Amino acid sequence: DIQMTQSPSSLSASVEDRVTITCRASQSISSHLNWYQQKPGKAPKLLIYATFRLQSGVPSRFSGSGSGTDFTLTISSLQPEDFATYYCQQSYSSPFTFGPGTKVDLK
Amino acid sequence: QLQLQESGPGLVKPSETLSLTCTVSGGSISNSNSYWGWIRQPPGKGLEWIGNIYYSGSTYYNPSLKSRVTISVDTSKNQFSLRLSSVTAADTAVYYCARTFGDSDSFDSWGQGTLVTVSS
Repeated sequence: DIQMTQSPSSLSASVEDRVTITCRASQSISSHLNWYQQKPGKAPKLLIYATFRLQSGVPSRFSGSGSGTDFTLTISSLQPEDFATYYCQQSYSSPFTFGPGTKVDLK
Repeated sequence: QLQLQESGPGLVKPSETLSLTCTVSGGSISNSNSYWGWIRQPPGKGLEWIGNIYYSGSTYYNPSLKSRVTISVDTSKNQFSLRLSSVTAADTAVYYCARTFGDSDSFDSWGQGTLVTVSS
């Protein structure tokens, strides 16, 4: 199985801050990396697929980059509705695996 | 707009079988570009992929659960289902059904999730 790690596990930030979350795969996954946002009591929401492709309806302040084993999710200007937990997921090979999550809360 | 809705018992006894159904509305489960999957999340923990199914019935499962999991599809009802046998307390989780669309195998539509508790 491909193991996914994320850093940091949590971070505190202020509105309008630039936030970067890192995801690392235990082996190369090419560009098969997806990002989700989850708020308490809600289902995850797809933000970015295939490393950098923005899901329809997702604000452009979200962006993704990377390839191989190292990937990043960037929120260019954090908004109040962005406080949530973020998960990466590899879809390169079965079993699909998720990172442990990064919780973004208010400083 | 595609909608998915999980249904099934919220309480299952240890050693019994967990059964959930996902009803798809606003689109066809027979869409050739879609796979349909189950993901679970124990309380306060992360996400675990359980398995996917294509409308033809082709499946692939997480090896960690494969011996206990069956996912099936009923195209006439626009539904797919999960059965997990021999459950223990470790199977207590929110169970989500979801869709992958296209080549990315990302889950672009999700049900709201249903909490299943394993307890006697």
